[in-house]
Parts: sequence; structure tokens; C-alpha cells
Amino acid sequence: QMQMQESGPGLVTPSETLFLTCIVSGVSINTNTHYWVWIRQPPGRGLEWIGNTYYSGSTYYNSSLKSRVTISADTSKRQFSLKLDSVTAADTAVYYCARQDNTGWAFDFWGQGILVTVSS
Amino acid sequence: QSALTQPASVSGSLGQSITISCIGTVNNIGSYSLVSWYQQHPGKAPKLMISEVSKRPSGISSRFSGTKSGNTATLTITGLQADDEANYYCCSYAGSPSFHMLFGGGTKLTVL
Repeated sequence: QMQMQESGPGLVTPSETLFLTCIVSGVSINTNTHYWVWIRQPPGRGLEWIGNTYYSGSTYYNSSLKSRVTISADTSKRQFSLKLDSVTAADTAVYYCARQDNTGWAFDFWGQGILVTVSS
Repeated sequence: QSALTQPASVSGSLGQSITISCIGTVNNIGSYSLVSWYQQHPGKAPKLMISEVSKRPSGISSRFSGTKSGNTATLTITGLQADDEANYYCCSYAGSPSFHMLFGGGTKLTVL
């Protein structure tokens, strides 16, 4: 049974780096059928696609975050990670990891999400 | 890129039907049949309801359907049930080279 679980600190200091990991169980992430994605949702607001990574190592990022974001994967550990530099209060959000199919481009499986607050 | 445009709220009575529109541009919805819809209950992760404009994943009720015309995608829910009350988000592929994905701002569905 597939599961996705985000982990990381719930509080990050402004100007520091946010680092989250998504652990995938039940399926391999070393597959050409899906991308592995980060999506965030500020409190009370809508969803924002952050970016994704593919088994080949390719990555694609939201242009509004591209200068601060790095997504990487460790297929042997079945996990992928999000690094967001120079965070501000505007980066406070629930961060979701998800799986995206590479044909219909839909997000067909989601983690439960992790709230990250940026505050001193 | 700007978000896709959805109505902030819609409402309908039990058993009735509602539609939620998602307005994009020729650069996203108008050029690609890669629109998906998500249902999100409070405090929960989003759930895929429709992919590729009109495809229902396994386990999703046939009461949910999707269409697209020009730059606008539409989600229709028939036979409203109490558990349909949630936020709904549309999403579209927005093209290369960044393989960008765009979400709508979300629509709160209230079942009366």
C-alpha cells in the first residue's frame, strides 16, 4: 500500500533554509511513469506548485521560486527532498509532497502535509 | 504566471447539481487537455477527482464530471451529497520549457 510522508522542522527562522523530506513507501520512485512533486498551501489560501523531480534527475521549478528552490531525490532510500533558501513569513504554509503521472500530469497521490511556520 | 480563475463560492441543495468554472488562457487550458480537479476537505490533503479534463480515477463517483471549452474548464457535480461540501481546485499544465503547473484559487462548495 503506497504511502507518502513529509518530515522536517515545523518552525524555521526568517532568512534561513527550509528543508523537508518526503518518504515514499509501497512503490519505487525510480520509475519513468511519475514525477515527484512539492506543492504548498499558505494558511487559508490556495495551492501553489513548487516543482518536481523525475527519475532521470531532471527537475522543474515554479518560476516565481526558481532562484530559491532545489528538489532532489535519493531513489535508493525512496525519498525526495525540498530545499527553500532565504525564507520569509510569506513561505509559511502547509507543504505537501505528491506524485504526478507523466501522461495526464495529475497529482494522483498526496502526503498528509506538514505545516511549516517561518518566524523568529 | 497568473492563477486560473475560479468563483470563490458556489452552493446547491442536497440532490441538486452544480458547476464550477475554471478560466485560463490560450497558454494553459486553451492549449492542453491536461486539466485536473481536486477536492479538499478542511485539514485534509487534496484528492484527485478528475484528470485530463474528464477522466475519473478509480473509485471516484460518476456524479463528478469534467469538460473543457476553449480556455474554460468546468467541473459538474450531480446529486449533491453532504460530503461534497469542500473546497475544489482546478489545475492545468502551462507548457514548456518550465513544465509549469497552475492552480485555480479554489471554490468553496456549500451544500444546503
